Amino acid sequence: QVHLVQSGAEVKKPGASVKVSCKLTGDFPTQLSIHWVRQGPAKGLEWMGGFDPEDGETTYAQKFQGRIITTEDTSTDTAYMELSSLRSEDTAMYYCARGVVKGSFDFWGQGTLVTVSS
Amino acid sequence: DIQMTQSPNVSASVGDRVSITCRASQSISSWLAWYQQKPGRAPKFLIYRASSLERGVPVRFSGSGSGTEFTLTISSLQPDDFATYYCQQYKSYPYTFGQGTKLEIK
Repeated sequence: QVHLVQSGAEVKKPGASVKVSCKLTGDFPTQLSIHWVRQGPAKGLEWMGGFDPEDGETTYAQKFQGRIITTEDTSTDTAYMELSSLRSEDTAMYYCARGVVKGSFDFWGQGTLVTVSS
Repeated sequence: DIQMTQSPNVSASVGDRVSITCRASQSISSWLAWYQQKPGRAPKFLIYRASSLERGVPVRFSGSGSGTEFTLTISSLQPDDFATYYCQQYKSYPYTFGQGTKLEIK
């Protein structure tokens, strides 16, 4: 069993950056595939990016290229997602999720609400 | 990008058999997953590779299809099944989700 515990809610001003953490606990292999998915208010799910340990590559959705950085700290089993140049449209719940069977997601964090408001 | 389109919201009663469809804009073979989401909760993983049931998911859930047409079927609706369901393709980046299908109580 794997648990993903995310950092708390954030309120940011337009133009600022936010960094969300995702702590993994439980029984899991050394190399993890962690992805980030967001969900706007009353909206659907949107994949942002993730790491594939098979090829060692991180891939981001074109929409977020240049604004997103995801990292993993293996010493603390924590993944991070930083999104910069925030705008009001970035107000959403942000989830981390473990990738399995190539690119489906079996375990999810509880979500981190990011609110962008002046 | 591969577009995923789901069937409209549906109303049903406990005990009903319900099917939700998902169509991909191009072939994704069997690289499709299904998720269930309840208000205020993270999505829950149900099915992977179009038809493989995740461990612990009730057997009343099943998935079928390949290529561009997929179906999630609930054989006998239980009260806990009323939620929003999403399909997701992972054939190629960017991974994309359907818009969601809300299953409501009639």
